[in-house]
Amino acid sequence: DTEVTQTPKHLVMGMTNKKSLKCEQHMGHRAMYWYKQKAKKPPELMFVYSYEKLSINESVPSRFSPECPNSSLLNLHLHALQPEDSALYLCASSQANLVPYSGNTIYFGEGSWLTVV
Amino acid sequence: DAKTTQPNSMESNEEEPVHLPCNHSTISGTDYIHWYRQLPSQGPEYVIHGLTSNVNNRMASLAIAEDRKSSTLILHRATLRDAAVYYCILRGRTDKLIFGTGTRLQVFP
Repeated sequence: DTEVTQTPKHLVMGMTNKKSLKCEQHMGHRAMYWYKQKAKKPPELMFVYSYEKLSINESVPSRFSPECPNSSLLNLHLHALQPEDSALYLCASSQANLVPYSGNTIYFGEGSWLTVV
Repeated sequence: DAKTTQPNSMESNEEEPVHLPCNHSTISGTDYIHWYRQLPSQGPEYVIHGLTSNVNNRMASLAIAEDRKSSTLILHRATLRDAAVYYCILRGRTDKLIFGTGTRLQVFP
């Protein structure tokens, strides 16, 4: 099973709402990622978790709050978002780099389409 | 992070081979060369990766220059389903995978 599952597939939220995006993988991967992708642009890295600890935060605004409750799950909590935050949010996972390194393929989910109104 | 340079777009006819180039002149000795593709409305999909030697898998071949400053992704017989944005990415011993702008491949019947 090489699947990364993201829910919901589509989300519309108001600027005062609180919502969460969820991501799950069962490949035993210990690195998990959140990316943001705007239309016709490449994915931009937001956060990386390694062994359930936040290892990389690419200067993301605090209205995005990641959480890794266990090795299979990754959440992205959303609060007080702006319309410009509307985008495709991609979750991904891979072997963490503490294992013998061999280029570590990253597996992506299909993404959650977020619209902020 | 080492950078890659790819053409913005390329075109091919169906069932013809496609060679997608990538320049990475600042590659370091421990950087792997990864290729991912993204079909419309989907997440990126792993295609192939290599370090020094040429690599083949069921999807494609990766030809790496002897000095490692460039590489070429080869699709042996393009199909309509291969129309996508192809990203060449250098991945070192970190958890980062940083995407460049990629090459948009169009395939014509």
